[in-house]
Amino acid sequence: DTGVSQNPRHKITKRGQNVTFRCDPISEHNRLYWYRQTLGQGPEFLTYFQNEAQLEKSRLLSDRFSAERPKGSFSTLEIQRTEQGDSAMYLCASSSTAGFNQPQHFGDGTRLSIL
Amino acid sequence: GDSVTQMEGPVTLSEEAFLTINCTYTATGYPSLFWYVQYPGEGLQLLLKATKADDKGSNKGFEATYRKETTSFHLEKGSVQVSDSAVYFCALSVSLGGKLIFGQGTELSVKP
Repeated sequence: DTGVSQNPRHKITKRGQNVTFRCDPISEHNRLYWYRQTLGQGPEFLTYFQNEAQLEKSRLLSDRFSAERPKGSFSTLEIQRTEQGDSAMYLCASSSTAGFNQPQHFGDGTRLSIL
Repeated sequence: GDSVTQMEGPVTLSEEAFLTINCTYTATGYPSLFWYVQYPGEGLQLLLKATKADDKGSNKGFEATYRKETTSFHLEKGSVQVSDSAVYFCALSVSLGGKLIFGQGTELSVKP
């Protein structure tokens, strides 16, 4: 079990730049989730995929955010025209749909810092 | 909307003390309930879960019972160790897709 892998671990960028994060889920998991966590808070749901279909998006996901999972394996989260308020830890999780309410396995996250 | 409220931290205990971290929830429908733990420098890990009323989840000496009448899922451990120092998150899931709604987290510090 290789776990959920996220890259990069840290990203520092200037305001207004675009950034892209990658998540590789556990190989047999067909659900993939993105969350955002700010300091001192719990993770907040952004969006999730079942296979390649994006099935739910939070209102937190503004037009500047886009996520893809083109082949139902890895996923990318892109933020365009970054703003100071985008500074956060971006977490990816995956789960299986076999059985009821399978637990989500989290990656170590990508920490985004906007200068 | 659905939400989770946890007791505020930080909680500081001496080794071998009894631990309770309170968690209450508001949800439409019948949620599944979870406790996740985040050790320093590490990612979130599932600690335990309960999927229906009166279920007790347990793992590594931690326990939590799903109480529908009080909408609570308090985390307990009889004797904490220094290695239990971490941030603990209570969470619920009500949707078919399984998205998690987290509380704000409670930091636990255990002193030798």
